[in-house]
Amino acid sequence: NAGVTQTPKFQVLKTGQSMTLQCAQDMNHNSMYWYRQDPGMGLRLIYYSASEGTTDKGEVPNGYNVSRLNKREFSLRLESAAPSQTSVYFCASSARDSRDEQYFGPGTRLTVT
Amino acid sequence: AQSVTQPDIHITVSEGASLELRCNYSYGATPYLFWYVQSPGQGLQLLLKYFSGDTLVQGIKGFEAEFKRSQSSFNLRKPSVHWSDAAEYFCAVGLYNFNKFYFGSGTKLNVKP
Repeated sequence: NAGVTQTPKFQVLKTGQSMTLQCAQDMNHNSMYWYRQDPGMGLRLIYYSASEGTTDKGEVPNGYNVSRLNKREFSLRLESAAPSQTSVYFCASSARDSRDEQYFGPGTRLTVT
Repeated sequence: AQSVTQPDIHITVSEGASLELRCNYSYGATPYLFWYVQSPGQGLQLLLKYFSGDTLVQGIKGFEAEFKRSQSSFNLRKPSVHWSDAAEYFCAVGLYNFNKFYFGSGTKLNVKP
């Protein structure tokens, strides 16, 4: 039982490059989330998915796209990376919704130069 | 707009001393309330949560938190801090009827020997 896994752990991109961050959970959770963590700002919600086939914007969605591929997997795509997207990205899942504990992955540290 | 405020960015306490970390939220209704802990380079782990009922909730690792509706606060406490408690602590709010969470900016705890 791995919980929430994320790949890659580290990534360096040049401005304008694209990449996809992968996330998978093996807990049969309905909801999945993508956050970014920046110093002094806590975690900010980028996108979330309440169920397979649905996605919604969070606080800071600009510059990102997401796909809920199936119940297990929720990917985050940066189409044209910018230095402002340098951050640590966390994926999380919860059983149902905002009543439930979120389980977090180990994070992806992304640097855009 | 919803917000979560953790007014203390850094706190240093001596090992064995008591601890209180503050959290205030701004939301029209009583939200679901959470405290998470993050060790360096790790994802977040749930310490405790509050939905309704008894306003004093117990969590893991000897932590407790008290919900005060009149003050819109959910402060985290521990009677005697251990060196292993050094970490960053995040208060989070889950919105009733919305599958969203908002996090505070975090409080970094240092423990002096």
